[in-house]
Amino acid sequence: ETGVTQSPTHLIKTRGQQVTLRCSSQSGHNTVSWYQQALGQGPQFIFQYYREEENGRGNFPPRFSGLQFPNYSSELNVNALELDDSALYLCASSLSQGAYGYTFGSGTRLTVV
Amino acid sequence: QKEVEQNSGPLSVPEGAIASLNCTYSDRGSQSFFWYRQYSGKSPELIMFIYSNGDKEDGRFTAQLNKASQYVSLLIRDSQPSDSATYLCAVNSLADRGSTLGRLYFGRGTQLTVWP
Repeated sequence: ETGVTQSPTHLIKTRGQQVTLRCSSQSGHNTVSWYQQALGQGPQFIFQYYREEENGRGNFPPRFSGLQFPNYSSELNVNALELDDSALYLCASSLSQGAYGYTFGSGTRLTVV
Repeated sequence: QKEVEQNSGPLSVPEGAIASLNCTYSDRGSQSFFWYRQYSGKSPELIMFIYSNGDKEDGRFTAQLNKASQYVSLLIRDSQPSDSATYLCAVNSLADRGSTLGRLYFGRGTQLTVWP
């Protein structure tokens, strides 16, 4: 059984640029969620994908967008990067309701300069 | 706004002691509750989940849930230096914006240090 894998592990971007982060969900999991974790804070929900459609969104602007593919992998895209977007971005996969918990990937550390 | 509050810490205990971590939540409709451990620079790792009122034990860890008080706790017995990490309380509730699926709301975490 494979876990959740994210790429890249680290990324440095310039303010105003665009970035794409990738996530492969755990085998058998059909739901992918994305979280942003700023330093010293708990993870904040960005959005969730189920059956290739967005199913729930947190308080993030439209420049945060995503995709889920038929194999349940997912992408997070952020346009017009701002300095405050610097954070650890976590992908989590689960079965539908997530009743048994969510498995997190190792994260992507994004630094915007 | 659904909130999850944790005692801010940091919490420092000697090796072998019991560490007690507490969490309250605002959404009475929440159905499942999780404790994650996060080492510095790493991603959260699930250590316990609980759905029913009462205690759930797994090795040195005991999760306690009281839905009437909207309170969940984690006890770590015989604490070890390797338990030093940030512990995140997470609650699974329906998202605010018309979602049909649950999502996790996290507290800010409690930093635990176990000293030898």
